[in-house]
Amino acid sequence: DQQVKQNSPSLSVQEGRISILNCDYTNSMFDYFLWYKKYPAEGPTFLISISSIKDKNEDGRFTVFLNKSAKHLSLHIVPSQPGDSAVYFCAAREKSSGDKLTFGTGTRLAVRP
Amino acid sequence: NAGVTQTPKFQVLKTGQSMTLQCAQDMNHNSMYWYRQDPGMGLRLIYYSASEGTTDKGEVPNGYNVSRLNKREFSLRLESAAPSQTSVYFCASSELGQAKNIQYFGAGTRLSVL
Repeated sequence: DQQVKQNSPSLSVQEGRISILNCDYTNSMFDYFLWYKKYPAEGPTFLISISSIKDKNEDGRFTVFLNKSAKHLSLHIVPSQPGDSAVYFCAAREKSSGDKLTFGTGTRLAVRP
Repeated sequence: NAGVTQTPKFQVLKTGQSMTLQCAQDMNHNSMYWYRQDPGMGLRLIYYSASEGTTDKGEVPNGYNVSRLNKREFSLRLESAAPSQTSVYFCASSELGQAKNIQYFGAGTRLSVL
């Protein structure tokens, strides 16, 4: 049972426009959410996170929105740049599980120049 | 600053062969993890170690064993490799209780089992 879902395997966006990556979850015990970015032949790197007590967190061009009632979070990248082309993973933590994270299947973002 | 180092980067095995994937971190983290990444499956946790001397199964532990050799090193062993274990393996570490729960990943080991 996939507790964290990223239903769009891929997304293509024009440079300068907004990229919106979506993530849905089913476990209401998740209390912390993270986005990771992965380039080919590299390991994932942390991008941005949000606690369940917040509904928005912003870091430069990246903003994460959390809708707890819908069990949905999204990552907005504005403006999108070609260097943002990567696979993005959504991840979630259940407090009782310590530091373990549950990852989504990833969305491949391509930013066209 | 090396962070998390995995060796080897690539490996080809024949079915039934054994091998150990090595992982070391220099961030003095307590927690370490092994994941596998398969197309369309995301990152799935194989085993983790919350602290030196402890290990626990993750989502997909069958066919694997682990050893937390010391605080720095966490190895993953395949005793009898199978084609289903063809995957990219990532090691990660984190500091238990850190507010952001950030895990830091190595560059991965690409394993093919023929």
